[in-house]
Amino acid sequence: AQTVTQSQPEMSVQEAETVTLSCTYDTSESDYYLFWYKQPPSRQMILVIRQEAYKQQNATENRFSVNFQKAAKSFSLKISDSQLGDAAMYFCAYRSALGSQGNLIFGKGTKLSVKP
Amino acid sequence: EAGVAQSPRYKIIEKRQSVAFWCNPISGHATLYWYQQILGQGPKLLIQFQNNGVVDDSQLPKDRFSAERLKGVDSTLKIQPAKLEDSAVYLCASSLDGRTGGYTDTQYFGPGTRLTVL
Repeated sequence: AQTVTQSQPEMSVQEAETVTLSCTYDTSESDYYLFWYKQPPSRQMILVIRQEAYKQQNATENRFSVNFQKAAKSFSLKISDSQLGDAAMYFCAYRSALGSQGNLIFGKGTKLSVKP
Repeated sequence: EAGVAQSPRYKIIEKRQSVAFWCNPISGHATLYWYQQILGQGPKLLIQFQNNGVVDDSQLPKDRFSAERLKGVDSTLKIQPAKLEDSAVYLCASSLDGRTGGYTDTQYFGPGTRLTVL
């Protein structure tokens, strides 16, 4: 069974600085998808970024980028120029590329605080 | 484009009572998911529908939980009878087509229903 581990329960960053959130996963599959979701206090999960395992190039979305290390099974999220609105829970998630089951397997999350 | 709608936002019940949650996915989305998120954890899939058929309900406690998606649009999730450990946020998500894993499988989440069982 696949597992996702986020080893940092909480992180803090100064506004305008850069922070990196860690995520590792365990799988025997070679093809899969990885995601970072943001969950603000309103509870609505918002997709931040996604990465296809077959792509070597790291995904980027504006101030958000990932460092995908397939061999190490590592998928970290870098937030540049942090803003107060980035404060939220961040969840790393895994989805198998096999079959029709779209089950997202989530880590326990990292709570990010942004200091003004 | 309207997002995933859920109601109610909050529900407080006594143990052994029944409760139902409603979800309206994004228009045209064939795949609908119900997740349970216990405090301090990431969401866990309860059930996945493709149109009005069940794709995966392996983690649904079928002795007390049931779900349906009539006509392949709205869905309801029911708990009967509720236990203390059912206290959680219940998230509904939808995707255009969850069978492929490609971009059409991007899941969009609703605001969730926070259930407290006393």
